[in-house]
Amino acid sequence: QSVLTQPPSVSAAPGQKVTISCSGTSSNIGSNYVSWYQQLPGTAPKLLIYENNQRPSGIPDRFSGSKSGTSATLGITGLQTGDEADYYCATWDSSLSEGVFGGGTKLTVL
Amino acid sequence: EVQLVESGGGLVQPGGSLRLSCAASGFTFSNYWMGWVRQAPGKGLEWVAHINQNGGEKKYVDSVKGRFTISRDDAKNSLYLQMSSLRAEDTAVYYCARLGSSITCHYWGQGNLVTVST
Repeated sequence: QSVLTQPPSVSAAPGQKVTISCSGTSSNIGSNYVSWYQQLPGTAPKLLIYENNQRPSGIPDRFSGSKSGTSATLGITGLQTGDEADYYCATWDSSLSEGVFGGGTKLTVL
Repeated sequence: EVQLVESGGGLVQPGGSLRLSCAASGFTFSNYWMGWVRQAPGKGLEWVAHINQNGGEKKYVDSVKGRFTISRDDAKNSLYLQMSSLRAEDTAVYYCARLGSSITCHYWGQGNLVTVST
């Protein structure tokens, strides 16, 4: 049972848009920055979004992040088959004094 | 180019010990918080531990407290994870990461598999 709650799976057609939610509490998402990661099959995770809505250099603007209260959202537009991967949200939990990840969301591009 | 290369994983019996290493290059290692994240087979990511720049702050996930120790050697640009009293549930790929605010993992190593089994 992960501290941050994500849907297990989402799917959409190529070219479409998808959003992935990440729900937490006031002690984690509500008071700390959220980051998002993409993990392609058999590879290490890669940072997609940091500090709620910032993209590292090299990450296309098809990927976006937002946060409101105790929830965060990752948006992906112009879906490509290469976007099929597992996506994770993460942040610090000030009450637990631990880093916390969501359970992950598997994106399928139909 | 930032590079993080883990080593030291392998097969160990329950109750045994293992030390993971992470060799860093391409950035000023001493300026950054560093951490370990693991992923059990077929499961999601789990934050394990982190250490600040001078080693004065170390935090651990509850399940490894008292058994794992994170440390760093800035002269060698290296991060370590000493693991003892290993359990089957510690079996995972362990990733080294360079950290930013709110434990953002800006860069990841390739991962190193630790298997705890008889």
